[in-house]
Amino acid sequence: DQQVKQNSPSLSVQEGRISILNCDYTNSMFDYFLWYKKYPAEGPTFLISISSIKDKNEDGRFTVFLNKSAKHLSLHIVPSQPGDSAVYFCAASGAGNTGKLIFGQGTTLQVKP
Amino acid sequence: SQTIHQWPATLVQPVGSPLSLECTVEGTSNPNLYWYRQAAGRGLQLLFYSVGIGQISSEVPQNLSASRPQDRQFILSSKKLLLSDSGFYLCAWSVLVGFTNEQYFGPGTRLTVT
Repeated sequence: DQQVKQNSPSLSVQEGRISILNCDYTNSMFDYFLWYKKYPAEGPTFLISISSIKDKNEDGRFTVFLNKSAKHLSLHIVPSQPGDSAVYFCAASGAGNTGKLIFGQGTTLQVKP
Repeated sequence: SQTIHQWPATLVQPVGSPLSLECTVEGTSNPNLYWYRQAAGRGLQLLFYSVGIGQISSEVPQNLSASRPQDRQFILSSKKLLLSDSGFYLCAWSVLVGFTNEQYFGPGTRLTVT
């Protein structure tokens, strides 16, 4: 059972435009959500997160939106740059001391110059 | 600042051979530690996690095992590798503070079983 889903395997946008990456989840007990960026042959790097008590969190060009009623979150990148080309993973966690994250399958973003 | 090390970076092993991948974290105490695998074209699958020395939880039944002999050391092992064990193995750490739950990943090990 895939609790965190990224239904778009890939996305292509033009440099300077907005990139919107989407993620859906099924477990209403998740209370913290994260986005990671991954280049080939490297470990993922943490980008931005949001707790379930908020609906928006912004950090520079990156904004994460959370819609709890729809169990949906999205990552907006504005403006997109060629260096943003990578695989983006969303992840979710629930209560407890394990810190376990459930990851989506990833979306490959290509930003064209 | 905290850093996480994984080695080796790449490994080619024959089927049936043993495996030992090591992960160490510096700059933090009592972290939670995790092993993930990313198979080709797939997402990140959590294999094991540990909340303390000697405490290991397995997420999926498989040919692998994990151990945590020291606070900041996490080891992934196998007695006999299978072809299906090929993949990109990632170690991560986290320290839970309130709501925050970021995990920080090492550089990964590319394992090819031939």
